[in-house]
Formats: sequence, structure tokens, C-alpha cells
Amino acid sequence: EVQLVESGGGLVKPGGSLRLSCAASGITFNSYHMDWVRQAPGKGLEWVSFISTDSKYIYYADSVKGRFTISRDNAKKSLYLQINSLRVEDTAVYYCARESPAGAALSEAFDIWGQGTMVIVSS
Amino acid sequence: QSVLTQPPSASGTPGQRVTISCSGSSSNIGSNYVFWYQHLPGTAPKLLIYKNDQRPSGVPDRFSGSKSGTSASLAISGLRSEDEADYFCAAWDGSLSGRVFGTGTKVSVL
Repeated sequence: EVQLVESGGGLVKPGGSLRLSCAASGITFNSYHMDWVRQAPGKGLEWVSFISTDSKYIYYADSVKGRFTISRDNAKKSLYLQINSLRVEDTAVYYCARESPAGAALSEAFDIWGQGTMVIVSS
Repeated sequence: QSVLTQPPSASGTPGQRVTISCSGSSSNIGSNYVFWYQHLPGTAPKLLIYKNDQRPSGVPDRFSGSKSGTSASLAISGLRSEDEADYFCAAWDGSLSGRVFGTGTKVSVL
């Protein structure tokens, strides 16, 4: 079964840190780019970060640049998001999503998503 | 802050056709593919439309997408109760070097 499972969320104080993980199964992980997307309570989806298949290309939303770091381990079929200097406005459900490379059948689409992990930033 | 604008809500009775608009700019919709996602709170979002108007395997042909200039739209025909969800458009934005999502539209089936 094709599956992405996030973990690592929790309650953290402002200024704190967390490391989110996304474990993939049933897919050829190293053939796909990966993204993190979040949804704050009562808000819409917000793209957070992108990492290419070989980690050569990495992009971040301006709202998290300098505080978040995306990485991946293709051997472990895992995606990570290190989030530092957390702010109240970072409170959200964080989803990992599989992205097909440009030129592939589902070019650039987020075709597989995890169920999300909740991050709550509060004092 | 979303750079793609959608109406906050849309509704229809079972069997009706509902259309959701997504307005952007030349740096996103105007020069890149548009994608549509369906999202039920508490669940994983689902890909409905890719490359402006293509449906992935398993998505009913009641869902269709289109794009013209810097705007796109999603149409749901033969509306069903299970279509009640939030719908988001998305595109790459070359000026921001990042993906952008729409503000989201909540579809209600009356």
C-alpha cells in the first residue's frame, strides 16, 4: 500500500524546536520530489517547503525561511522538517506530500499525502 | 498569505453543477500548471485535477478543470453529498520560487 506517515508533532513553547518526520512505504521514494504543506486552524493550505529527489534543489516559503530546514534520507525512505524558533503562528497540521517530477505523468502534482501531524506552539 | 483568490463558499442541490474560480497572476497561473485538491478536515488532501484539466485515475469525470490566462476554474457536475468539502487550487509561482495555494472554497450540498 502506498503510504506516507508523519510523526513528531506536539506541544512546544514559542522559540522551541521540533523535528517532523515523514515515512514512506509502497513507493519508489527516491524517484519523487517531496513537499511539506501546513494548515493552521480555520485556515487554508499553505505550502512550506520543497526538496528534489536528490536534495539538490530546496525551496521554502518566505514565512519559514531561515527557521525551517527540509531534508531527506532516500535509503530510509524518509523526509524530515527541522523547525526552529517556533512562533504561535506556526501552529498547524503539517502534511508531507509526494510530488511527481516535471515531465512525469502527474507532473508536479501532489498525488499522495500523509494524514498530517499537529504542531501546537503555545506558552 | 494566499496569492490565488477563490470564493469562500459555493453551494448547490444534488445533481446541480457548481463552478469554483481561482484568480492569480502572470507569475503563477499565467505561466504554470494549475492543480486542484479536495480536502475534508482531518483527512489527507486529495488530488482532483493536474496540468490544468487532467484527472488522475479514480477521480470521477464529474470533476473538470480549465484555465484561461491568469484564471482557472473547477467544475463539479451532478453534485453529490459526498462532494461537501474544501477545494483548493494551486500553482507554482515563479516570482516567489514556491508553490502557492488558493484561499479555498467550501462547497455545501443543500
